[in-house]
Amino acid sequence: AQSVTQLDSQVPVFEEAPVELRCNYSSSVSVYLFWYVQYPNQGLQLLLKYLSGSTLVKGINGFEAEFNKSQTSFHLRKPSVHISDTAEYFCAVSEVSDYKLSFGAGTTVTVRA
Amino acid sequence: GAGVSQTPSNKVTEKGKYVELRCDPISGHTALYWYRQSLGQGPEFLIYFQGTGAADDSGLPNDRFFAVRPEGSVSTLKIQRTERGDSAVYLCASSLSAGGFYNEQFFGPGTRLTVL
Repeated sequence: AQSVTQLDSQVPVFEEAPVELRCNYSSSVSVYLFWYVQYPNQGLQLLLKYLSGSTLVKGINGFEAEFNKSQTSFHLRKPSVHISDTAEYFCAVSEVSDYKLSFGAGTTVTVRA
Repeated sequence: GAGVSQTPSNKVTEKGKYVELRCDPISGHTALYWYRQSLGQGPEFLIYFQGTGAADDSGLPNDRFFAVRPEGSVSTLKIQRTERGDSAVYLCASSLSAGGFYNEQFFGPGTRLTVL
């Protein structure tokens, strides 16, 4: 079975500053990795995913993440945040050829002017 | 464009009552998933359907929880004898299929269940 740890429960950040959200996972088999965003009163939206190939993955809204197999990490970054990036962010993992997503506890990002 | 819809958006019930939560997946999606998100936690897998059959119900916490998808489209999650610990947001997702190569899961907005 796989598990996900998001190392920061809350991240306050000023507008136009960079942000990094940390995610570590554990699994005995190959995995797919995901970052989802949940805006207030909305459903989960996929930001980006790592399936295979290049370890640097670019997603929507200027976000990117890097898969590091040796450190079992999949940290999410954005070089310059906007007020509209205020949301909760979830890292998730699934085993290759599986369907179940296992989520971390989430990181709340609050962007202030 | 129709995404995944869930009804009701909010449900308040009393301990011991029976509730049904409905999910309408994206048209043409054969795979459907239910997850539960308790306060301060990430979503947890409950059950997955491929077509009409429950292919994996290993995440259902106990036999008070049951889900159906009789025609391979709409699904209903049923909770009997509700307990305060069942209070959570129940999320539904659908994908074109499941297993094999990756198919993106699209999530609905969820149903917030509160058991008093």
